[in-house]
Amino acid sequence: DTGVSQDPRHKITKRGQNVTFRCDPISEHNRLYWYRQTLGQGPEFLTYFQNEAQLEKSRLLSDRFSAERPKGSFSTLEIQRTEQGDSAMYLCASSLASGGLDQPQHFGDGTRLSIL
Amino acid sequence: AQSVTQLGSHVSVSEGALVLLRCNYSSSVPPYLFWYVQYPNQGLQLLLKYTSAATLVKGINGFEAEFKKSETSFHLTKPSAHMSDAAEYFCVVSTFSGTYKYIFGTGTRLKVLA
Repeated sequence: DTGVSQDPRHKITKRGQNVTFRCDPISEHNRLYWYRQTLGQGPEFLTYFQNEAQLEKSRLLSDRFSAERPKGSFSTLEIQRTEQGDSAMYLCASSLASGGLDQPQHFGDGTRLSIL
Repeated sequence: AQSVTQLGSHVSVSEGALVLLRCNYSSSVPPYLFWYVQYPNQGLQLLLKYTSAATLVKGINGFEAEFKKSETSFHLTKPSAHMSDAAEYFCVVSTFSGTYKYIFGTGTRLKVLA
């Protein structure tokens, strides 16, 4: 179990630029989640994959955001035309699909995005 | 809709003192509850989970939590605080509304005083 890996850890970019983050889940985990966390708040759900299928997207995920998990392994989260309000920590988590509500999610260390 | 409320965004305790972090849940069905800890610039680490098998749940690092249905609470405790316990703590409810996801509380930042 090597844990959930996220890359990069930090990203600083100018407003209007596009950014892409990568998440590598624990290898046997079918479920993959993206969350956004702003300063002083708890993480907020963005989107969820089971294998390669994106099964739910939060209303927080505007059309500037897109997430993929093409082969059911790693996932990418892209933000186009970044805005100041996109500055946040983006967290990825994964879990086994064999369990139900009791299945814990395992989190990566996140990507901190700063928009200049 | 299910939710969790954490009372107290900041809690300070002296080293060696009891730690008590409060969490109340709202759920029309038996909830599945978790506590996570987040150290600065890191992701979230699972401390413990409640899945109805036992009302007193023991976790890592000496933490435990007691599920009280009558009070709709799931408070986190540790008998003796250590400096390394200083972190942000999140109470979480696991929900299913078509898909599985977590609903997080707003977090409690624990400060441990020497």
